[in-house]
Amino acid sequence: DIQMTQSPSSLSASVGDRITITCRASQSISRHVNWYQQKQGKAPNLLICAASDLQSGVPSRFSGSGSGTDFTLTISSLQPEDFATFYCQQNYSTPFAFGPGTKVDIK
Amino acid sequence: EVHLLESGGGLVQPGGSLRLSCAASGFTFRTHALSWVRQAPGKGLEWVSGISGSGGSIYYAGSVKGRFTISRDNSKNTLYLQMNNLRAEDTAVYYCAKDDTNYGGNFDYWGQGILVTVS
Repeated sequence: DIQMTQSPSSLSASVGDRITITCRASQSISRHVNWYQQKQGKAPNLLICAASDLQSGVPSRFSGSGSGTDFTLTISSLQPEDFATFYCQQNYSTPFAFGPGTKVDIK
Repeated sequence: EVHLLESGGGLVQPGGSLRLSCAASGFTFRTHALSWVRQAPGKGLEWVSGISGSGGSIYYAGSVKGRFTISRDNSKNTLYLQMNNLRAEDTAVYYCAKDDTNYGGNFDYWGQGILVTVS
Protein backbone atom coordinates (compact mmCIF):
# COMPACT_ATOMS: atom_id res chain seq x y z
CA ASP A 1 0.00 0.00 0.00
CA ILE A 2 1.13 3.56 -0.70
CA GLN A 3 1.75 5.69 2.39
CA MET A 4 1.46 9.48 2.44
CA THR A 5 3.30 11.80 4.80
CA GLN A 6 2.93 15.56 5.27
CA SER A 7 5.03 18.28 6.79
CA PRO A 8 4.71 20.22 8.89
CA SER A 9 1.98 18.67 11.02
CA SER A 10 0.96 22.15 12.08
CA LEU A 11 1.95 25.72 11.44
CA SER A 12 1.03 29.13 12.72
CA ALA A 13 0.79 31.96 10.23
CA SER A 14 -0.61 35.44 9.83
CA VAL A 15 -3.10 36.82 7.35
CA GLY A 16 -1.20 37.69 4.18
CA ASP A 17 1.55 35.14 4.71
CA ARG A 18 2.65 32.74 1.99
CA ILE A 19 2.66 29.15 3.23
CA THR A 20 3.73 25.85 1.74
CA ILE A 21 2.72 22.37 2.82
CA THR A 22 4.67 19.34 1.65
CA CYS A 23 3.34 15.87 0.93
CA ARG A 24 5.45 12.83 0.16
CA ALA A 25 4.39 9.45 -1.21
CA SER A 26 6.12 6.19 -0.32
CA GLN A 27 6.51 5.39 -4.02
CA SER A 28 6.22 7.24 -7.30
CA ILE A 29 2.62 8.14 -8.09
CA SER A 30 3.10 10.40 -11.10
CA ARG A 31 0.74 13.35 -10.51
CA HIS A 32 -2.03 11.40 -8.77
CA VAL A 33 -2.41 13.64 -5.76
CA ASN A 34 -5.38 15.62 -4.52
CA TRP A 35 -5.54 18.29 -1.82
CA TYR A 36 -8.48 18.87 0.53
CA GLN A 37 -9.28 21.56 3.07
CA GLN A 38 -11.29 20.64 6.15
CA LYS A 39 -12.69 23.22 8.55
CA GLN A 40 -13.61 22.25 12.08
CA GLY A 41 -16.77 20.16 12.23
CA LYS A 42 -17.23 20.16 8.45
CA ALA A 43 -16.69 17.69 5.62
CA PRO A 44 -13.50 18.02 3.55
CA ASN A 45 -13.54 20.17 0.43
CA LEU A 46 -11.58 19.24 -2.71
CA LEU A 47 -9.20 22.07 -3.64
CA ILE A 48 -6.81 20.59 -6.17
CA CYS A 49 -6.70 17.37 -8.17
CA ALA A 50 -4.00 15.82 -10.33
CA ALA A 51 -1.37 17.70 -8.33
CA SER A 52 -2.08 21.13 -9.80
CA ASP A 53 -5.61 21.38 -11.24
CA LEU A 54 -7.59 23.91 -9.26
CA GLN A 55 -11.19 22.92 -8.68
CA SER A 56 -13.90 25.27 -9.92
CA GLY A 57 -14.62 27.97 -7.37
CA VAL A 58 -11.37 27.60 -5.48
CA PRO A 59 -9.49 30.90 -5.15
CA SER A 60 -6.38 31.32 -7.27
CA ARG A 61 -4.23 31.94 -4.19
CA PHE A 62 -4.21 28.14 -3.83
CA SER A 63 -1.79 26.25 -6.06
CA GLY A 64 -0.28 22.79 -6.19
CA SER A 65 2.80 21.31 -7.77
CA GLY A 66 4.95 18.21 -7.88
CA SER A 67 5.19 14.79 -9.42
CA GLY A 68 6.66 11.42 -8.57
CA THR A 69 6.90 11.33 -4.80
CA ASP A 70 7.04 14.98 -3.71
CA PHE A 71 4.17 17.44 -3.83
CA THR A 72 3.40 20.87 -2.44
CA LEU A 73 0.34 22.97 -1.69
CA THR A 74 0.95 26.72 -1.58
CA ILE A 75 -1.31 29.49 -0.38
CA SER A 76 0.12 32.72 -1.74
CA SER A 77 -1.58 35.12 0.67
CA LEU A 78 -3.34 33.52 3.61
CA GLN A 79 -6.87 34.78 4.24
CA PRO A 80 -8.92 34.47 7.46
CA GLU A 81 -11.17 31.83 5.90
CA ASP A 82 -8.17 29.63 5.02
CA PHE A 83 -7.39 28.56 8.57
CA ALA A 84 -8.16 24.85 8.57
CA THR A 85 -6.56 21.43 8.24
CA PHE A 86 -5.22 20.39 4.84
CA TYR A 87 -4.86 16.82 3.62
CA CYS A 88 -3.16 15.33 0.60
CA GLN A 89 -4.53 12.10 -0.87
CA GLN A 90 -3.17 9.73 -3.48
CA ASN A 91 -5.47 8.26 -6.11
CA TYR A 92 -2.80 6.30 -7.97
CA SER A 93 -4.05 3.00 -6.55
CA THR A 94 -6.36 1.65 -3.89
CA PRO A 95 -6.41 1.99 -0.95
CA PHE A 96 -6.66 5.74 -1.59
CA ALA A 97 -4.53 6.91 1.32
CA PHE A 98 -4.69 10.35 2.87
CA GLY A 99 -1.80 12.12 4.50
CA PRO A 100 -2.03 12.79 8.26
CA GLY A 101 -2.97 16.42 7.75
CA THR A 102 -1.45 19.86 8.33
CA LYS A 103 -3.29 22.18 10.68
CA VAL A 104 -2.93 25.86 9.83
CA ASP A 105 -3.85 28.24 12.61
CA ILE A 106 -3.55 31.91 13.36
CA LYS A 107 -0.30 33.23 14.78
CA GLU B 1 -27.16 20.63 -6.83
CA VAL B 2 -25.38 17.53 -5.57
CA HIS B 3 -26.58 16.30 -2.21
CA LEU B 4 -25.38 13.32 -0.15
CA LEU B 5 -27.13 12.40 3.08
CA GLU B 6 -25.83 9.67 5.38
CA SER B 7 -28.01 7.82 7.87
CA GLY B 8 -27.92 4.73 10.06
CA GLY B 9 -25.21 5.67 12.51
CA GLY B 10 -25.38 5.39 16.27
CA LEU B 11 -24.08 3.52 19.30
CA VAL B 12 -23.31 -0.19 18.98
CA GLN B 13 -21.53 -2.69 21.21
CA PRO B 14 -18.23 -4.30 20.19
CA GLY B 15 -18.93 -7.25 17.92
CA GLY B 16 -22.20 -5.74 16.76
CA SER B 17 -23.38 -4.66 13.31
CA LEU B 18 -24.64 -1.51 11.70
CA ARG B 19 -25.69 -0.53 8.20
CA LEU B 20 -25.03 2.95 6.90
CA SER B 21 -26.92 4.45 3.98
CA CYS B 22 -26.13 7.42 1.78
CA ALA B 23 -28.97 8.90 -0.26
CA ALA B 24 -27.74 10.84 -3.27
CA SER B 25 -29.31 13.40 -5.58
CA GLY B 26 -28.34 16.04 -8.12
CA PHE B 27 -26.18 13.91 -10.43
CA THR B 28 -26.40 10.81 -12.62
CA PHE B 29 -25.86 8.28 -9.84
CA ARG B 30 -24.94 5.22 -11.90
CA THR B 31 -22.07 6.95 -13.73
CA HIS B 32 -20.09 7.89 -10.63
CA ALA B 33 -18.06 5.83 -8.23
CA LEU B 34 -18.65 6.39 -4.51
CA SER B 35 -16.57 5.84 -1.42
CA TRP B 36 -16.84 5.79 2.34
CA VAL B 37 -14.23 7.80 4.22
CA ARG B 38 -14.06 7.92 8.01
CA GLN B 39 -12.53 10.16 10.62
CA ALA B 40 -11.95 9.02 14.18
CA PRO B 41 -12.46 11.70 16.85
CA GLY B 42 -9.62 14.22 16.63
CA LYS B 43 -7.84 12.22 13.94
CA GLY B 44 -7.25 12.39 10.20
CA LEU B 45 -9.14 11.00 7.23
CA GLU B 46 -9.12 7.30 6.39
CA TRP B 47 -10.48 5.93 3.12
CA VAL B 48 -12.58 2.85 3.96
CA SER B 49 -14.11 1.45 0.80
CA GLY B 50 -15.09 2.35 -2.75
CA ILE B 51 -17.42 1.05 -5.44
CA SER B 52 -17.63 1.77 -9.14
CA GLY B 53 -20.73 3.18 -10.81
CA SER B 54 -22.04 -0.22 -11.90
CA GLY B 55 -21.06 -1.87 -8.64
CA GLY B 56 -18.80 -4.26 -10.52
CA SER B 57 -15.57 -3.06 -8.93
CA ILE B 58 -15.22 -2.90 -5.17
CA TYR B 59 -12.25 -2.03 -2.99
CA TYR B 60 -11.57 -2.04 0.76
CA ALA B 61 -8.97 -0.77 3.16
CA GLY B 62 -7.12 -3.54 4.91
CA SER B 63 -8.47 -2.43 8.29
CA VAL B 64 -12.05 -3.31 7.32
CA LYS B 65 -11.66 -6.06 4.73
CA GLY B 66 -13.71 -9.10 5.65
CA ARG B 67 -15.86 -7.13 8.11
CA PHE B 68 -17.40 -4.36 6.00
CA THR B 69 -19.36 -4.70 2.77
CA ILE B 70 -20.04 -1.82 0.40
CA SER B 71 -22.94 -1.93 -2.04
CA ARG B 72 -25.16 0.36 -4.03
CA ASP B 73 -28.68 0.37 -5.44
CA ASN B 74 -28.69 2.44 -8.61
CA SER B 75 -32.50 2.26 -8.82
CA LYS B 76 -32.71 4.02 -5.44
CA ASN B 77 -29.66 6.32 -5.80
CA THR B 78 -28.36 4.94 -2.52
CA LEU B 79 -24.99 3.74 -1.27
CA TYR B 80 -24.63 1.34 1.65
CA LEU B 81 -21.98 0.16 4.07
CA GLN B 82 -22.72 -2.98 6.05
CA MET B 83 -20.42 -3.05 9.06
CA ASN B 84 -20.07 -6.32 11.01
CA ASN B 85 -17.92 -7.38 13.95
CA LEU B 86 -17.42 -3.76 14.92
CA ARG B 87 -14.48 -2.76 17.08
CA ALA B 88 -13.77 0.24 19.27
CA GLU B 89 -11.31 1.50 16.66
CA ASP B 90 -14.16 1.74 14.12
CA THR B 91 -15.58 4.65 16.12
CA ALA B 92 -15.60 7.59 13.72
CA VAL B 93 -17.60 9.98 11.63
CA TYR B 94 -18.32 8.19 8.37
CA TYR B 95 -18.56 10.28 5.21
CA CYS B 96 -20.08 9.31 1.90
CA ALA B 97 -17.97 10.80 -0.92
CA LYS B 98 -18.75 11.10 -4.61
CA ASP B 99 -16.06 10.54 -7.19
CA ASP B 100 -15.92 12.98 -10.08
CA THR B 101 -15.71 10.06 -12.53
CA ASN B 102 -16.39 6.34 -12.56
CA TYR B 103 -13.40 5.53 -10.46
CA GLY B 104 -10.66 8.10 -10.19
CA GLY B 105 -10.50 8.72 -6.48
CA ASN B 106 -11.21 12.45 -6.76
CA PHE B 107 -13.84 13.13 -4.12
CA ASP B 108 -15.60 16.27 -5.29
CA TYR B 109 -18.68 16.12 -3.05
CA TRP B 110 -19.10 14.83 0.48
CA GLY B 111 -22.01 14.22 2.80
CA GLN B 112 -22.16 15.90 6.20
CA GLY B 113 -21.06 12.68 7.92
CA ILE B 114 -22.66 10.30 10.41
CA LEU B 115 -21.22 9.27 13.76
CA VAL B 116 -20.68 5.61 14.60
CA THR B 117 -19.70 4.87 18.18
CA VAL B 118 -18.58 1.38 19.18
CA SER B 119 -18.64 1.04 22.94
